[in-house]
Amino acid sequence: EPEVTQTPSHQVTQMGQEVILRCVPISNHLYFYWYRQILGQKVEFLVSFYNNEISEKSEIFDDQFSVERPDGSNFTLKIRSTKLEDSAMYFCASNSQGRGNYGYTFGSGTRLTVV
Amino acid sequence: DAKTTQPNSMESNEEEPVHLPCNHSTISGTDYIHWYRQLPSQGPEYVIHGLTSNVNNRMASLAIAEDRKSSTLILHRATLRDAAVYYCILRDRDNAGNMLTFGGGTRLMVKP
Repeated sequence: EPEVTQTPSHQVTQMGQEVILRCVPISNHLYFYWYRQILGQKVEFLVSFYNNEISEKSEIFDDQFSVERPDGSNFTLKIRSTKLEDSAMYFCASNSQGRGNYGYTFGSGTRLTVV
Repeated sequence: DAKTTQPNSMESNEEEPVHLPCNHSTISGTDYIHWYRQLPSQGPEYVIHGLTSNVNNRMASLAIAEDRKSSTLILHRATLRDAAVYYCILRDRDNAGNMLTFGGGTRLMVKP
């Protein structure tokens, strides 16, 4: 079964450093997403991406965050200057059509620890 | 977005059926009912979805009330591997690209 692949599985970074989280969505999917989950809390939406541009973003997704699809396969989330409160699991997801009749496929996540 | 209400937790015995309820009294006519689950230390996983009719797949069955204000996810024979948080989420059929809004879900514990 096709998978969404995320790398690395765990990243530790110093506060103030930039990090890039990488995702390879399912190849024929058109809609891409980032979510995060702080330990013990709900899964929260960050951003959705379609046709090489952001289609929706949450209040969490401020100027410190950016997304990019640099080539035909990768989808990245960059955090410019990490803060302690950015420590969380970050999940990438994709789906083929974006509409309500289609399910999302999520990756296994990247655990980001900011120290 | 229409909201869903689920019990915080449920317990089941291994190899017995499990019925996970979800209330969505403000559901609109174009909302699909989706279920996802999240195993410990993993990302959410799609389980099943439906609009009006009951649905079956290899993972589970979805029973939707006639007025669509509630639904039930049915695991026919719970295994230890089914211990997870189960989320009931509504998605608009016509709103392309809209995000999933996760609530607290139901934590299912399966006893051997």
